[in-house]
Amino acid sequence: DTGVSQNPRHKITKRGQNVTFRCDPISEHNRLYWYRQTLGQGPEFLTYFQNEAQLEKSRLLSDRFSAERPKGSFSTLEIQRTEQGDSAMYLCASSLFQAEQFFGPGTRLTVL
Amino acid sequence: AQSVTQLDSQVPVFEEAPVELRCNYSSSVSVYLFWYVQYPNQGLQLLLKYLSGSTLVESINGFEAEFNKSQTSFHLRKPSVHISDTAEYFCAVWDDKIIFGKGTRLHILP
Repeated sequence: DTGVSQNPRHKITKRGQNVTFRCDPISEHNRLYWYRQTLGQGPEFLTYFQNEAQLEKSRLLSDRFSAERPKGSFSTLEIQRTEQGDSAMYLCASSLFQAEQFFGPGTRLTVL
Repeated sequence: AQSVTQLDSQVPVFEEAPVELRCNYSSSVSVYLFWYVQYPNQGLQLLLKYLSGSTLVESINGFEAEFNKSQTSFHLRKPSVHISDTAEYFCAVWDDKIIFGKGTRLHILP
């Protein structure tokens, strides 16, 4: 399968715990995006990378959220001290040409 | 900043009837527009896109959308829906990342 993959697919955690999600983009894609989707809403942009450079992170929801793409391949999104309001689907997408993004299946986070 | 507005949160329609899902975008000099579909318990899939050229774009499963610059609209249409079209449909615009609308849930009635 050469699509975008995300792990884990589901994560249940207790409030206050840290969680980390991984995204593996399509291999030749240089751009990688993170979005969040809450119930009944469209996906909301969080941050993106071009190769290993994080070009926009102003939309990360708070300083508890951080993302990395250390070698320009896979990326991780970390949420520290999770809150119940962080419960959502976290989506990753990659692209080679700017406007054509391919989405992964998402990681569903439930914070108890 | 670019934005899109989906005018209907839910659209019920009988099977084999036509459907139109409405989308308006904020005006800009140039615009790239998309429709994404999310089937129940599945990820987002690109349905069709307008980047340039012909204002009428089509998908492989019978949907089409028309870019209308004067009305700043990009409505999605299908002449005859099937039960398998049940899904959430998102209109989106490119602004160095994709900006999504809130979605329209298409509910097919038997």
